[in-house]
Amino acid sequence: KAGVTQTPRYLIKTRGQQVTLSCSPISGHRSVSWYQQTPGQGLQFLFEYFSETQRNKGNFPGRFSGRQFSNSRSEMNVSTLELGDSALYLCASSLGDGSNQPQHFGDGTRLSIL
Amino acid sequence: DAKTTQPPSMDCAEGRAANLPCNHSTISGNEYVYWYRQIHSQGPQYIIHGLKNNETNEMASLIITEDRKSSTLILPHATLRDTAVYYCIVTAYTGANSKLTFGKGITLSVRP
Repeated sequence: KAGVTQTPRYLIKTRGQQVTLSCSPISGHRSVSWYQQTPGQGLQFLFEYFSETQRNKGNFPGRFSGRQFSNSRSEMNVSTLELGDSALYLCASSLGDGSNQPQHFGDGTRLSIL
Repeated sequence: DAKTTQPPSMDCAEGRAANLPCNHSTISGNEYVYWYRQIHSQGPQYIIHGLKNNETNEMASLIITEDRKSSTLILPHATLRDTAVYYCIVTAYTGANSKLTFGKGITLSVRP
């Protein structure tokens, strides 16, 4: 069974631009969560989508947003990019039905801001 | 979610068992213990999880103390490819609370 797929793997942007990252979950998984990983802050939760609705949200500014499509694929968008947004962005999928089945992660998109 | 405490690093010899400890003294009755690992430049990989009974799968064993205040992840025959950061996470993973809170983890170095 195919794992979580994130595209692109690497991205370079400049300050002020916006970026959209994509995540395709494992087939049958309806929950998609996004995380940001930086050397200073570690892995931090951004938000979670289930059935096209944001169900849980971390403590990030409104420049970070996401959406989920009817096929469970998800995108996250960061507007007005800042140097501090340089990070590895990770997506994880799970059944999301409260059955305590684990989240499975993709290998992330590494975003560099110049 | 309950907080976990892990030593920053440990090492073991290839072929020997690696025993990775985790303290979670404030764990609640409905919280599970999850273990993930992250190899450089990859996403976190799920290893195992448990509530109160010991668990074993093809990757590892999870031993949870009777009071549930600590646990140990055991890699029975460590290889060089097991060198990674290992995260112990405690969470009440319900349908409406699927956030994983990662700490700094423990860096395991497997030496030849």
